Amino acid sequence: GAGVSQSPSNKVTEKGKDVELRCDPISGHTALYWYRQSLGQGLEFLIYFQGNSAPDKSGLPSDRFSAERTGGSVSTLTIQRTQQEDSAVYLCASSLPPGADEQYFGPGTRLTVT
Amino acid sequence: TQLLEQSPQFLSIQEGENLTVYCNSSSVFSSLQWYRQEPGEGPVLLVTVVTGGEVKKLKRLTFQFGDARKDSSLHITAAQPGDTGLYLCAGPRDSNYQLIWGAGTKLIIKP
Repeated sequence: GAGVSQSPSNKVTEKGKDVELRCDPISGHTALYWYRQSLGQGLEFLIYFQGNSAPDKSGLPSDRFSAERTGGSVSTLTIQRTQQEDSAVYLCASSLPPGADEQYFGPGTRLTVT
Repeated sequence: TQLLEQSPQFLSIQEGENLTVYCNSSSVFSSLQWYRQEPGEGPVLLVTVVTGGEVKKLKRLTFQFGDARKDSSLHITAAQPGDTGLYLCAGPRDSNYQLIWGAGTKLIIKP
């Protein structure tokens, strides 16, 4: 079956603009994660969705970042008023419950803020 | 605070050599996972170790979980260029749904 897909694969935007990043998880996976990865570094947790529960937003770095998950499937990460320090690869992962089992990752969206 | 430290940060060796990379913590983890990430891709799970002292083999890769479940190692025998990538270890946070991630070891195998 299809894996996790993300779009766009690359996004170049000007400082101050808003961007939306999309994630399509594996069908049937109720857990969905967003991570940020700076060049060659580990993963920084941003937000976690599990079923219909309230999301864990504890990793969002500022109120310019938000995410939603519609219908328990597709998720969108929105960054408002982008800053140069937002430049990174944004990875989405999904998994079966309870969520800390194997995570399946998409290829990521490389965001460059100029 | 649970942290995972990986070493070395970067390793470049010739094809055919052996190597070991490490994932260490001062905290006990119920399990540890190893992922490999290739450029332009997301991480892919290689193995999960669960029992203290456990050794798992995946072809030329040998993974070990420390007896106290605070550390893990990955040993590669006769490294190949296809082993090139970023190796990440991760373990479940006390909350059980988040993973704590190490910063990774960037491995380059030169032909």
